[in-house]
Amino acid sequence: AAGVIQSPRHLIKEKRETATLKCYPIPRHDTVYWYQQGPGQDPQFLISFYEKMQSDKGSIPDRFSAQQFSDYHSELNMSSLELGDSALYFCASSLGVSPYGYTFGSGTRLTVV
Amino acid sequence: GNSVTQMEGPVTLSEEAFLTINCTYTATGYPSLFWYVQYPGEGLQLLLKATKADDKGSNKGFEATYRKETTSFHLEKGSVQVSDSAVYFCALPGDSSYKLIFGSGTRLLVRP
Repeated sequence: AAGVIQSPRHLIKEKRETATLKCYPIPRHDTVYWYQQGPGQDPQFLISFYEKMQSDKGSIPDRFSAQQFSDYHSELNMSSLELGDSALYFCASSLGVSPYGYTFGSGTRLTVV
Repeated sequence: GNSVTQMEGPVTLSEEAFLTINCTYTATGYPSLFWYVQYPGEGLQLLLKATKADDKGSNKGFEATYRKETTSFHLEKGSVQVSDSAVYFCALPGDSSYKLIFGSGTRLLVRP
């Protein structure tokens, strides 16, 4: 079965650079969620989209922005990167707004040097 | 708001030992409850879930029962294997349904 696809799997950036993470949800899933997981930490909710509109916002820094496109894929844009942004970034998708069918991608590991 | 508390790790067990990882929650109403597992270097996988009180979720020999009286959703397995070594997260929806709130995670290490 198709899963949530995230790209790239690994990304190394320097401080103050920008990064773009991509998420391709399971076909027909219309809701996308982004999470950040620091080393040894639990995943923290960043932002979600339902039908291309932002549906909820968590602890996402102002330096970050995200959007969901007409094909339902989503991109997380991160600017002025800081060392503390080094983390695993997970995307998840579901059909509708309920978390019953929450499927996560394998994540993008971002390292800021 | 909704929150979840799970026992701290690491938990170290010998193969075939009995496993319990405690999870308690605070929530408005009776939300669905989840256990996710994260194997080394991998993403989060849904292990099991329960959508209403007294439901029992089960998968791969793991079980958890949604107990509203004690607001708990403890994860159990009768006989762990080395391959069960991973980090286990208890989770529930936030006050809005658009996000999950995770516990701090419990690392399980199973020794041969």
